[in-house]
Order: sequence, then structure tokens, then C-alpha cells
Amino acid sequence: EAGVVQSPRYKIIEKKQPVAFWCNPISGHNTLYWYRQNLGQGPELLIRYENEEAVDDSQLPKDRFSAERLKGVDSTLKIQPAELGDSAVYLCASSLTPGSPLFFGEGSRLTVL
Amino acid sequence: GQQLNQSPQSMFIQEGEDVSMNCTSSSIFNTWLWYKQDPGEGPVLLIALYKAGELTSNGRLTAQFGITRKDSFLNISASIPSDVGIYFCAGQSGGGADGLTFGKGTHLIIQP
Repeated sequence: EAGVVQSPRYKIIEKKQPVAFWCNPISGHNTLYWYRQNLGQGPELLIRYENEEAVDDSQLPKDRFSAERLKGVDSTLKIQPAELGDSAVYLCASSLTPGSPLFFGEGSRLTVL
Repeated sequence: GQQLNQSPQSMFIQEGEDVSMNCTSSSIFNTWLWYKQDPGEGPVLLIALYKAGELTSNGRLTAQFGITRKDSFLNISASIPSDVGIYFCAGQSGGGADGLTFGKGTHLIIQP
């Protein structure tokens, strides 16, 4: 069974440019999460979806970050415009139900110059 | 917000030694999870704990859900080189209504 798939694995952009990350969760997992992991830190939740509904986006910087999960399967996370402080690894995770364990993708490492 | 204190921050041990790390929380969790993350990879689930007092093993790994529901520990017995990595504890409250809160990780380094 395929795990959580993310792309791209690496992205280098200049500040003020836009960037987008894509995630395909484990088949049948209705709950999808986007986390951000700064160097030397644990992951921090950005947004959580139940099917296509964003049920917790309280930690998402809405002035420049947006996310969508239109058909309740794949999801995209967008940053526009990117800032230097956005350099981090963006992790996507999915779980079968809200209370079941999360399974993570390999992450998308963003470097903003 | 919820905070997890994970310790130690790093460990330098000899191959074959046992390892112990723990997490404490300022609030109660209903679920404790332990993950391992290798460089350039996403966290991989090691053990999930759902009940206070629960003791669960996965090979050489053993984890316990503290009675107070505010702490958890992970033990690794007879460490081997592939155990190197960063271990994260994570807690979840609200019956799944909230996402996971992660500790800052324990960096395990094994000297052959």
C-alpha cells in the first residue's frame, strides 16, 4: 500500500515568489494534515482537513498561506508571497479517522533566498 | 497552548546500550505517539498509546502512557546503529478533535 506522497521534495525560490506543495494521502484516509517543521524543532500543525472541510486552520498564516482539498483526497498548500522565514520542511500527514495515528509523507523542503 | 517537554535533547551512547527518553505535558492527553525521523525523511510511527498506564512494545522498543496522562516514556534496548535518528513524542487530546502536539525531539547518536 502506498504511503503519503508529497511533491516536490525540494524547492528553492527567491523571496516574494509563490510556491505550492502537493499531497496525496493514504487511500481511504479522510483526515489530512499539513505541518511545518523548522530546523531542530518538532512539526507544528498548520491546517487539518476532514474530507474537504478545513476543520482547524487556526495556525495557518492566512495573509500569505492558503490550502485546499477540493475533492476530499489530494491537497495543495500555497505560499504567496514567500518570505525568508518560510524556509522549512512542509509535511503532509493523513489518518483514517481524527483520533487514529498520523502517517507522514517525506516532506517538501523549502528554501527561500 | 499545550506544550510538550521532551528530554534529553540529545544522547550519545555506545552500541548495545539501553536508551530511555521521556515527555511531559502541561495538560492531559488522550493519546501518546512516538515517532522516529531520519534525515531528509518524514516522521515514522513507532508506537501508539491510547490508555493511561498502557505499556506497549514494538521489538526492542517499549513505551508507556503515564498514569497522570501528562507523560510518556520510550525505551530502546540493546541499541544498534540503525537506531540513530531523532525521536519525537506527540500527544493528542480532545478525542481526535485536535491535531498532534509534538515535542522538540531527542537526537540519538550511537558510537560503534
